[in-house]
Amino acid sequence: NAGVTQTPKFQVLKTGQSMTLQCAQDMNHNSMYWYRQDPGMGLRLIYYSASEGTTDKGEVPNGYNVSRLNKREFSLRLESAAPSQTSVYFCASVGHLNTGELFFGEGSRLTVL
Amino acid sequence: GNSVTQMEGPVTLSEEAFLTINCTYTATGYPSLFWYVQYPGEGLQLLLKATKADDKGSNKGFEATYRKETTSFHLEKGSVQVSDSAVYFCALTSGSARQLTFGSGTQLTVLP
Repeated sequence: NAGVTQTPKFQVLKTGQSMTLQCAQDMNHNSMYWYRQDPGMGLRLIYYSASEGTTDKGEVPNGYNVSRLNKREFSLRLESAAPSQTSVYFCASVGHLNTGELFFGEGSRLTVL
Repeated sequence: GNSVTQMEGPVTLSEEAFLTINCTYTATGYPSLFWYVQYPGEGLQLLLKATKADDKGSNKGFEATYRKETTSFHLEKGSVQVSDSAVYFCALTSGSARQLTFGSGTQLTVLP
């Protein structure tokens, strides 16, 4: 069972470089999410997609863009990376939010120098 | 808006000790409440949930009771094990929200 797959798992960027984090789920879930996790800050929602074809801003969207490519895939793009974007990024998906059971990927650790 | 407040960590306990991690919330309507656990190097996974007042969620020896009168959902376990060492997150969703709101997480370390 693959569940939620994120790539890459680790990445080091220089300030100003761009990159895309990829996320795919094989559970036929409607909703997908991108979070960042920083020490002492818990999880903060960057963007989410409640259904295929829709995306919405979360708590900390600045500096990021997303694409819901199809029902399976939801990518997160950093157009011009900044050191403040050094974090661990998690993708998650859920079939029906009232169940509360988000399925998370293993995370992508990004360092911006 | 919705918010979740968890007790500050980290928490360090000896094996077989009793665990309580406090969680209180503010929400519109009637929220559903959750505890997630994150083991080292992994993503979060659902530990237990409760969807209405007075419900008790339980899993793997952990329990939490949805207390509407005190807006709380404290996590408890009677006897912790080293393998319980992880970060624990309280979370909620309510009404027409299309996302979960998470607390800041509590790091638990259990020593043998």
